[in-house]
Amino acid sequence: EVQLVESGGGLVQPGGSLRLSCSASGFIFSDYAMHWVRQAPGKGLERVSTVSIDGGSTYHADSVKGRFTISRDNSKNTLYLQMISLRTEDTAVYYCVKDRTYSYDYWGQGTLVTVSS
Amino acid sequence: DVVMTQSPLSLPVTLGQPASISCRSSQSLVHSDGNTYLSWFQQRPGQSPRRLIYEISNRDSGVPDRFSGSVSGTDFTLKISRVEAEDVGVYYCLQGTHWPRTFGQGTKVEIK
Repeated sequence: EVQLVESGGGLVQPGGSLRLSCSASGFIFSDYAMHWVRQAPGKGLERVSTVSIDGGSTYHADSVKGRFTISRDNSKNTLYLQMISLRTEDTAVYYCVKDRTYSYDYWGQGTLVTVSS
Repeated sequence: DVVMTQSPLSLPVTLGQPASISCRSSQSLVHSDGNTYLSWFQQRPGQSPRRLIYEISNRDSGVPDRFSGSVSGTDFTLKISRVEAEDVGVYYCLQGTHWPRTFGQGTKVEIK
């Protein structure tokens, strides 16, 4: 059974930093690209970041470029999202999502990031 | 970026009756490999999104056959043949053909 378990969310002040983690199991982690998708309170889904299977290529939405960094450790089956210079508009539930042929097939339960003073 | 426009944004439905959600893309979603990468997701209240359908009309494992997907040109449709109480939630389309992948705004399905 595929499982994606996020952690690391919490309350942080504007300008602060946070590191999210996602522990993956139930599939060969190193065979799939991985993504972070977020959802602001009461809003829709927004793709944030993507990392290739070996971590060599990364992509970030314009809204987070230069502030967020996605990475992975295939030896630990873990995905990361390092977030710096956080803004109030980054407040959202962040989902760890598994890639599947130009789509997303499995989602974690999400971790809430709240940016507020 | 490809814009995905869903309609309606809110859909009150009667239990046992059919429901239909539309998703229109701003450009063709036919990939150079000949496939069309349009998926549908369901997000029940308080839950993570769950994929229902991929490549227009293929149901994921465990998805009831009352859910179906179709296409006409750049207009994609998710149909629920007979709405059940557990179908309440928000439905999103996603195009994966063009980078970056983009979602529709979501359609909220509620019971009348």
